[in-house]
Amino acid sequence: DAGVIQSPRHEVTEMGQEVTLRCKPISGHNSLFWYRQTMMRGLELLIYFNNNVPIDDSGMPEDRFSAKMPNASFSTLKIQPSEPRDSAVYFCASSLLDHEQYFGPGTRLTVT
Amino acid sequence: KQEVTQIPAALSVPEGENLVLNCSFTDSAIYNLQWFRQDPGKGLTSLLLIQSSQREQTSGRLNASLDKSSGRSTLYIAASQPGDSATYLCAVHGNKLVFGAGTILRVKS
Repeated sequence: DAGVIQSPRHEVTEMGQEVTLRCKPISGHNSLFWYRQTMMRGLELLIYFNNNVPIDDSGMPEDRFSAKMPNASFSTLKIQPSEPRDSAVYFCASSLLDHEQYFGPGTRLTVT
Repeated sequence: KQEVTQIPAALSVPEGENLVLNCSFTDSAIYNLQWFRQDPGKGLTSLLLIQSSQREQTSGRLNASLDKSSGRSTLYIAASQPGDSATYLCAVHGNKLVFGAGTILRVKS
């Protein structure tokens, strides 16, 4: 298996633009997680899905953030409109039930 | 609210030394605890996962222990190598995965 796949790996955008981050989980995994990592706050869980259903989105910072999982092999995290303080590395992870989480390589987002 | 603390924040050791990284958590109602490694600019690599019913897990030169009642876990690295240099993160799985801030390890050759 190729592991968790994220795209793009790097994204530079201007404030106010829409940003869409993509994730393909490991085949067979039924849980998917979106995290954000910054120097100030470390790793924070934004939202997670179980069997494509959002279970806990309490970590989503604002209504500007939204996440979807239309099927078991694809998820998106969208920021609209983006702001400079959204600059961070966004990780997607997947797991089978409550087992080990496997992380993707991350998307480094810079909002100018 | 679960809080995870890792000590020390940074550690620099000569090659070959055995070392211990510490992780403590405030809520003992957990399913499991996971240790990760993160290289600069990279994603997280899972090293070991300890279920709440287990006391320790071993993988090669790594040994992780868990004392749920006292809210502590340790990661023991034997015979450290320069390639072990990375940030090590402890994460506790209750109703969600909560991460510590990490220990930055540097092994000098």
